[in-house]
Amino acid sequence: AQSVAQPEDQVNVAEGNPLTVKCTYSVSGNPYLFWYVQYPNRGLQFLLKYITGDNLVKGSYGFEAEFNKSQTSFHLKKPSALVSDSALYFCAVRDPGGGSQGNLIFGKGTKLSVKP
Amino acid sequence: DGGITQSPKYLFRKEGQNVTLSCEQNLNHDAMYWYRQDPGQGLRLIYYSQIVNDFQKGDIAEGYSVSREKKESFPLTVTSAQKNPTAFYLCASSIEGGLGEAFFGQGTRLTVV
Repeated sequence: AQSVAQPEDQVNVAEGNPLTVKCTYSVSGNPYLFWYVQYPNRGLQFLLKYITGDNLVKGSYGFEAEFNKSQTSFHLKKPSALVSDSALYFCAVRDPGGGSQGNLIFGKGTKLSVKP
Repeated sequence: DGGITQSPKYLFRKEGQNVTLSCEQNLNHDAMYWYRQDPGQGLRLIYYSQIVNDFQKGDIAEGYSVSREKKESFPLTVTSAQKNPTAFYLCASSIEGGLGEAFFGQGTRLTVV
């Protein structure tokens, strides 16, 4: 069965420092991987995705993520955090096997807090 | 503007009542989804539809119902059979086939009073 794990409930970073939000996944086939951000009482906004190709994916607002097949990971990174990056981040995976397996499965979310 | 519109933003329901949450999209997407979000539990799939006049149960469909009579619309009814309906509900859509990212509405917060 597909699953996504975000091992940290919360990540605290000082402004200007690099940040990493971790994600590991489990699928039966080749995964499609996504990161989303959610601000309070709002819907999810798409940040970036990995479908195929280069393992380093660049997305919105200076975020990037690295697909590591051997470690089944897709960690979200940013070289220099901003206070405005503080939000809830969700990793999601889709197993493109069709049917219900084609649906997005979400991790439980990681709250990122960036302090000035 | 293309996007997904959910209404209302806030909804209050009395015990034993059915309520319907609206979701409309003008992105011409075939697939639409309903998720429920509870603190610390991430997003859980309630129902999804990959084409008009067809929909499938997700992981937590009990106490919910949907319809998909038009491509643009995917309303969710929270019935009185749903024992713990207080939550944040998110509607999403995507191109069918899995390559595309999902686009989300702004959510409806349902509270039982």
